[in-house]
Amino acid sequence: AAGVIQSPRHLIKEKRETATLKCYPIPRHDTVYWYQQGPGQDPQFLISFYEKMQSDKGSIPDRFSAQQFSDYHSELNMSSLELGDSALYFCASSPRTGGGEKLFFGSGTQLSVL
Amino acid sequence: AQSVAQPEDQVNVAEGNPLTVKCTYSVSGNPYLFWYVQYPNRGLQFLLKYITGDNLVKGSYGFEAEFNKSQTSFHLKKPSALVSDSALYFCAVRALNRDDKIIFGKGTRLHILP
Repeated sequence: AAGVIQSPRHLIKEKRETATLKCYPIPRHDTVYWYQQGPGQDPQFLISFYEKMQSDKGSIPDRFSAQQFSDYHSELNMSSLELGDSALYFCASSPRTGGGEKLFFGSGTQLSVL
Repeated sequence: AQSVAQPEDQVNVAEGNPLTVKCTYSVSGNPYLFWYVQYPNRGLQFLLKYITGDNLVKGSYGFEAEFNKSQTSFHLKKPSALVSDSALYFCAVRALNRDDKIIFGKGTRLHILP
């Protein structure tokens, strides 16, 4: 069965550079979530999209932006990268059927900022 | 605002013994509750969820969890632990008030000793 696809798997950037992370949800899943997981930390919610519109916002820095496209894939754009942005970034998708549906997670993008 | 507490950073259990990973939650109204497991360098995998109905929920890999409304708890259990159960376990909650995001606990590292 198709899963959530994230690319790239690993990304190395330097301070003040920009990065773009991509997420391809499971087919027919219309909701996408982004989470950031620092080393030894719990996943922190960043932002979510439903039907290409932002549906909720968490602890996402102003330097970050995201969008969901017509094919439901999503991109997380990160600018002016800081050392503290080094983390594992997860995308998750779910079908929005009355809420409470479980999230299906991708394998994550490991971002290292040097 | 919803929150999740996992009071134990680490739990050690001998193989074959029963295991319990604790979780308490705080949310306005009725909750959706989840357990996810994370293996090294992997995304989170869904184990089980409680939406409504029977307080004892059975999930993947022989895990189960018991919803206790009066104690606002959702402890994860397994009658007989396997070494392969060693991983990081996250409890998560989502409010039923159309709030989009799932909030994760800090995680509990489970070590099953052979």
